[in-house]
Amino acid sequence: EAQVTQNPRYLITVTGKKLTVTCSQNMNHEYMSWYRQDPGLGLRQIYYSMNVEVTDKGDVPEGYKVSRKEKRNFPLILESPSPNQTSLYFCASRGGVLNTEAFFGQGTRLTVV
Amino acid sequence: DQQVKQNSPSLSVQEGRISILNCDYTNSMFDYFLWYKKYPAEGPTFLISISSIKDKNEDGRFTVFLNKSAKHLSLHIVPSQPGDSAVYFCATISNSGNEKLTFGTGTRLTIIP
Repeated sequence: EAQVTQNPRYLITVTGKKLTVTCSQNMNHEYMSWYRQDPGLGLRQIYYSMNVEVTDKGDVPEGYKVSRKEKRNFPLILESPSPNQTSLYFCASRGGVLNTEAFFGQGTRLTVV
Repeated sequence: DQQVKQNSPSLSVQEGRISILNCDYTNSMFDYFLWYKKYPAEGPTFLISISSIKDKNEDGRFTVFLNKSAKHLSLHIVPSQPGDSAVYFCATISNSGNEKLTFGTGTRLTIIP
């Protein structure tokens, strides 16, 4: 079954404690990205990757890092989480140029206290 | 700077009637326009898309209309069913290098039985 898998689904952490949200896709997609969803703001792109070892900033990259060492994995790293990073996070993958359908993970609800 | 806007945060429609969701955009360089549907506790799922060279695309009960001169996109659902109750996001893709998928703020559609 084609899918994007994120872990964990829910996470409560304290300010400053480094965390990683994992994302894996099994569709051999080149393009992967991370979004955060906040009330009234829709889905905003944090980082994206067009292929292995190719990553770039989206609209709201501050406080986040990513890596793309393998095609299937695209982890999101918060080195020093702060309360304003409390949000619902989605990982997505897409086949690439002219492939418009993006597949999303089920989301990770992060709370930073 | 919100490039994709959904001005109606919510919409209620009687079952069996037509639901019309609207979206406005500012960038003439967008190549594709898409609609995604999101249920609570799930990631967004792709619904329908349209290329910038077309003005209409139909898939079953769902039709997307594109008015390039007005920079306006709409989704028509007819007839509306209770299972259509969800949050709908319009989105755009620009093939200007980064293939960025930009989302609107979302409209919560409620179908009244």
